[in-house]
Amino acid sequence: GAGVSQSPRYKVAKRGQDVALRCDPISGHVSLFWYQQALGQGPEFLTYFQNEAQLDKSGLPSDRFFAERPEGSVSTLKIQRTQQEDSAVYLCASSPALMPNTEAFFGQGTRLTVV
Amino acid sequence: AQSVAQPEDQVNVAEGNPLTVKCTYSVSGNPYLFWYVQYPNRGLQFLLKYITGDNLVKGSYGFEAEFNKSQTSFHLKKPSALVSDSALYFCAVRDMLKYGGSQGNLIFGKGTKLSVKP
Repeated sequence: GAGVSQSPRYKVAKRGQDVALRCDPISGHVSLFWYQQALGQGPEFLTYFQNEAQLDKSGLPSDRFFAERPEGSVSTLKIQRTQQEDSAVYLCASSPALMPNTEAFFGQGTRLTVV
Repeated sequence: AQSVAQPEDQVNVAEGNPLTVKCTYSVSGNPYLFWYVQYPNRGLQFLLKYITGDNLVKGSYGFEAEFNKSQTSFHLKKPSALVSDSALYFCAVRDMLKYGGSQGNLIFGKGTKLSVKP
């Protein structure tokens, strides 16, 4: 596709429910990032993939959060036993190269509301 | 620690007037700086970046940013604001302490809401 695609766009989950958020990066992009954006805040880093390898998961807030990118393209962010504090917009970004001067391309995000 | 600060929660400008959205940073080594814009219910769109070279960087939609090393600032500017520029603006710096200097994640400021009135 032309850009980074995320689905679903909106997700309402009951507390305790498991959710899975999908990210389709731009074809051929090596790097893939997940960010969490709370209301009124800037995005905060969750995890980073280089192809299929998860190189950094230091931003994941708890062991209820899990991400994968098994074939180096599509990525899924899974949240188990959702809590109200998990309510946020989850943004996925991809970039084509491993150079620090390369900008990242963001998807529209998934807005998760835990009730 | 590396960080970005956007001291203004909101900036109000009249259409046609110049605008400035402020950003200061704190990094180890040379900074890789970015500006993104976010429209309601949309993802972040890249505006411009500073890597090295000229301190005045030109980007999309008529925006530019001035890098000032002595003041550790990277303010976003536009000579003549449009109502359609109203959005949320984020300054970000690349985390260069990870991955031996290759691509690290972005560290974002809290964002500045720009409101341009007709």
